[in-house]
Amino acid sequence: DVKVTQSSRYLVKRTGEKVFLECVQDMDHENMFWYRQDPGLGLRLIYFSYDVKMKEKGDIPEGYSVSREKKERFSLILESASTNQTSMYLCASSTPREETQYFGPGTRLLVL
Amino acid sequence: AQKVTQAQTEISVVEKEDVTLDCVYETRDTTYYLFWYKQPPSGELVFLIRRNSFDEQNEISGRYSWNFQKSTSSFNFTITASQVVDSAVYFCALSEANNFNKFYFGSGTKLNVKP
Repeated sequence: DVKVTQSSRYLVKRTGEKVFLECVQDMDHENMFWYRQDPGLGLRLIYFSYDVKMKEKGDIPEGYSVSREKKERFSLILESASTNQTSMYLCASSTPREETQYFGPGTRLLVL
Repeated sequence: AQKVTQAQTEISVVEKEDVTLDCVYETRDTTYYLFWYKQPPSGELVFLIRRNSFDEQNEISGRYSWNFQKSTSSFNFTITASQVVDSAVYFCALSEANNFNKFYFGSGTKLNVKP
């Protein structure tokens, strides 16, 4: 079974704080993704990575950065959190051999 | 234009009723994948099924079945004898041959199954 885990289910941060969201997958998948999900806007891709140290911008990369130092781990970084980054963040992974994206449990981030 | 349309925003049924969730997609590629995911209140998106564009066979898995019709660009999902645990938001998604990493998600259909 594919397992994607995220470091926190719920997170509360203050405006201006630096925030790290961690995602780990145990299936040796090449591809990893970060999405945010907001009511009425659906799922939107922030960044994805197809290999260690490789990254590509998704549809809404502004205000975010990512890091992939190891194949199994993909981090999303909010350099200076703002209230409009309050959202549900979902991590996913996939392999080019299968193309299905498997999702983690999500992190609900509240920025005050 | 939306690539994946789930016109039903919310559906309510009583337990044991059958329910069909509609998904209409739009693509010019001849090679593509279609997916269904379930998102229960806990938040995780659970993968249910993947279909490639060359396989129009209908699929049945327990109480779940999927009807893929290229002629109408639809990939509908039916739950037979619904149960309260089926209550969730269901997403249909499309990925295309020119970039399989890019998923186009529908807006989701919220299914409420009442006891």
